[in-house]
Amino acid sequence: EAGVTQSPTHLIKTRGQQATLRCSPISGHTSVYWYQQALGLGLQFLLWYDEGEERNRGNFPPRFSGRQFPNYSSELNVNALELEDSALYLCASSSGQGLNQPQHFGDGTRLSIL
Amino acid sequence: AQSVAQPEDQVNVAEGNPLTVKCTYSVSGNPYLFWYVQYPNRGLQFLLKYITGDNLVKGSYGFEAEFNKSQTSFHLKKPSALVSDSALYFCAVRDVTGGYNKLIFGAGTRLAVHP
Repeated sequence: EAGVTQSPTHLIKTRGQQATLRCSPISGHTSVYWYQQALGLGLQFLLWYDEGEERNRGNFPPRFSGRQFPNYSSELNVNALELEDSALYLCASSSGQGLNQPQHFGDGTRLSIL
Repeated sequence: AQSVAQPEDQVNVAEGNPLTVKCTYSVSGNPYLFWYVQYPNRGLQFLLKYITGDNLVKGSYGFEAEFNKSQTSFHLKKPSALVSDSALYFCAVRDVTGGYNKLIFGAGTRLAVHP
């Protein structure tokens, strides 16, 4: 069974640009989550999508947005990039919303802002 | 508010010795607890979970965790450490309050297993 896949592996942008990160969940998983792992800040919840809808978002500005497609894949968009957006962005998926379902993570996209 | 604490930044252990990585939690309601491991330049790998039932949970790669409700702890253990276990370990609690369905992570504990 293929795991969660993310692309690209690395992304280099400059301040003010826009970035798009992509995620394909495990087959059969309908929930997708995005997390930011920034140096010194740990792992922070960004967004949760389920069945094509945004269900909730973490404490991030509106320039962080995304969507989930009918095939349950997802993309994260970050507009007006700032230096502090440099981080590893992790996507996870789970089978439904069940509390006893673990989230399974991809290897992430490392976003570097110059 | 739900929270998780990992009191040790780093744990050092000799290969073959038992290891413990500590985690304490604070939740309202029943805790849903998870352990993940992160190797360099990789994402998080799921190790094990506690939802309900037996206080000793067995997971992947020989790891287990002991849930202690009175001490609000969920420590990760392994009877005999391997050098390949060296990695960053995260404890997490699932937060479903306020319409959320997210993991709240501890700061992580770096495990170093020496030959």
